[in-house]
Amino acid sequence: QVQLQESGPGLVKPSETLSLTCTVSGGSIRHYYWSWIRQPPGKGLEWIAYMYYSGSTSYNSSLKSRVTISVDMSKNQVYMKLTSVTAADTAVYFCARRFGGGGMDVWGQGTTVTVSS
Amino acid sequence: QSALTQPRSVSGSPGQSVTISCTGTSSDVGGYNFVSWYQQQPGKAPKLMIYDVDKRPSGVPDRFSGSKSGSTASLTISGLLAEDEADYYCCLLAGRDVLFGGGTKVTV
Repeated sequence: QVQLQESGPGLVKPSETLSLTCTVSGGSIRHYYWSWIRQPPGKGLEWIAYMYYSGSTSYNSSLKSRVTISVDMSKNQVYMKLTSVTAADTAVYFCARRFGGGGMDVWGQGTTVTVSS
Repeated sequence: QSALTQPRSVSGSPGQSVTISCTGTSSDVGGYNFVSWYQQQPGKAPKLMIYDVDKRPSGVPDRFSGSKSGSTASLTISGLLAEDEADYYCCLLAGRDVLFGGGTKVTV
């Protein structure tokens, strides 16, 4: 059974870079798309980016200039970096596996990130 | 990228059916069949309920069904149970972009 676990700093200062890791256990990164999604407090889901294991990426146009997604197949990990963070980036960040057309069938539990000085 | 439009809330009594709409345009919902639906309980990660408009992952009760007509996708929950009370989000893979609806709170 595939499981995802997000990890990263719970607190980031404004203007700094947020770095998150999604560790995939119980399965391989190969042959799937890997997404990052976030949810600000009390609000809905926002797609950030996804990456196919072989390297193809796609980013939310509103975040594209600040986001980078990558994978390390040897470590079975997916990464996300978000630069120049502001309070608006405070959210729970989820990683998720996408199969087929669009269904994200496996999700991590999420990691809470607060941007504050 | 505009978010897809969902009603803020819907409610129903146990045993009843409710339908949640997810409205887009001919360029997004109307042009792609990669619509998925997620259930999110408070403090939990979303759970995939429907993918590719009307397909159910294994383990999801057949009380949950999906459909699409034109630029509107829908999720119907039949035979409402108390455990169905949650937030529901539609999602569309449109080319290389992913769009979420704003979410609908279902109250039983």
